[in-house]
Amino acid sequence: RKEVEQDPGPFNVPEGATVAFNCTYSNSASQSFFWYRQDCRKEPKLLMSVYSSGNEDGRFTAQLNRASQYISLLIRDSKLSDSATYLCVVTRASKIIFGSGTRLSIRP
Amino acid sequence: EAGVVQSPRYKIIEKKQPVAFWCNPISGHNTLYWYRQNLGQGPELLIRYENEEAVDDSQLPKDRFSAERLKGVDSTLKIQPAELGDSAVYLCASSLGRDRIEQYFGPGTRLTVT
Repeated sequence: RKEVEQDPGPFNVPEGATVAFNCTYSNSASQSFFWYRQDCRKEPKLLMSVYSSGNEDGRFTAQLNRASQYISLLIRDSKLSDSATYLCVVTRASKIIFGSGTRLSIRP
Repeated sequence: EAGVVQSPRYKIIEKKQPVAFWCNPISGHNTLYWYRQNLGQGPELLIRYENEEAVDDSQLPKDRFSAERLKGVDSTLKIQPAELGDSAVYLCASSLGRDRIEQYFGPGTRLTVT
């Protein structure tokens, strides 16, 4: 079992819809959490850090559930430009572990 | 502000040949990372530097891979000799360091070994 797991998708949703996906981690000692987005054949770009109290940035909301060991990303009013792969990142001590990503496709 | 710079962007070599990748991090970023990313997978950390010191190289295949970060700025990742399975995108990233671990990635080098 991988230490960080994501549903690979693809999630195919219409423009304007709300979509959410999770990322589970297996080690309870995990410390920091992030969401990155990666466009096709491009480098990953930091989307947002995930704080214990949850945080919001415009249409994006990230949450952390330590009890169940997962983080989530919610995208409201999705845009065509949101189509990408979303990678979760978990750190533990000096380790940095990326998930394999969830592919999101927004259709007109 | 300039981002992370990598070169070359693409490289095609025959197996058993050597290859090197270069990375210039964002100015002022003390931490530098090298990742390998295969198609459909997330980046896999190869090595992390804090200034000049390699603090995590546990995933670096040391029989054929080497890296250096002279003067704590630019870094070079080398493979010698390359194998077919080394075909991947090699990403460099940097972060401020200490508690600031938000990473900023370069465009990557797409390596094809034939």
